[in-house]
Amino acid sequence: DAGVIQSPRHEVTEMGQEVTLRCKPISGHNSLFWYRQTMMRGLELLIYFNNNVPIDDSGMPEDRFSAKMPNASFSTLKIQPSEPRDSAVYFCASSSTGGSSYEQYFGPGTRLTVT
Amino acid sequence: GQSLEQPSEVTAVEGAIVQINCTYQTSGFYGLSWYQQHDGGAPTFLSYNALDGLEETGRFSSFLSRSDSYGYLLLQELQMKDSASYFCAVFNQGGKLIFGQGTELSVKP
Repeated sequence: DAGVIQSPRHEVTEMGQEVTLRCKPISGHNSLFWYRQTMMRGLELLIYFNNNVPIDDSGMPEDRFSAKMPNASFSTLKIQPSEPRDSAVYFCASSSTGGSSYEQYFGPGTRLTVT
Repeated sequence: GQSLEQPSEVTAVEGAIVQINCTYQTSGFYGLSWYQQHDGGAPTFLSYNALDGLEETGRFSSFLSRSDSYGYLLLQELQMKDSASYFCAVFNQGGKLIFGQGTELSVKP
């Protein structure tokens, strides 16, 4: 079985550019999570979806960040405009719905560098 | 608010036993998960405790005391490949995980 797929694996961009990160969850999983990991702040939940609907976006740092899940097999996280402090590893994770979301399957991550 | 505390780093020798503690403060607590992350890799699920007591999965065990807001991960017969970061994470009524800062485990020969 394919795990969670993320693209690109690495992204280097200049400040002010738009960045789009992509995620394909595991087939049959109904919950999808976007995380950001940095040395300073650790692993932070940005937003999560249940059945393609955003449930909690309280972790989204500011309006420059937006996330969508147009269908059960695809989600995007967009940063516009990007800033150097957005440099981090961004993980997407998926799980079965609700009560089983303590067991999440993480993708390989996208390492974002904003110069 | 919600907070989790775990040691930043632990060192042990191959074949030994190590315990990584986690204390938490949260509302709407459902259970405690543990994840492993190798350097440059993604977090992977190890275990989950919803009830008090010890859960054993091979060389790894996890314990929870809800009354003490405390849990630990126990790793036995340590191997070099166990060198990684270990995260405790609270699973709450919002259906999401709140991760601790992680404990970096170094296993020495």
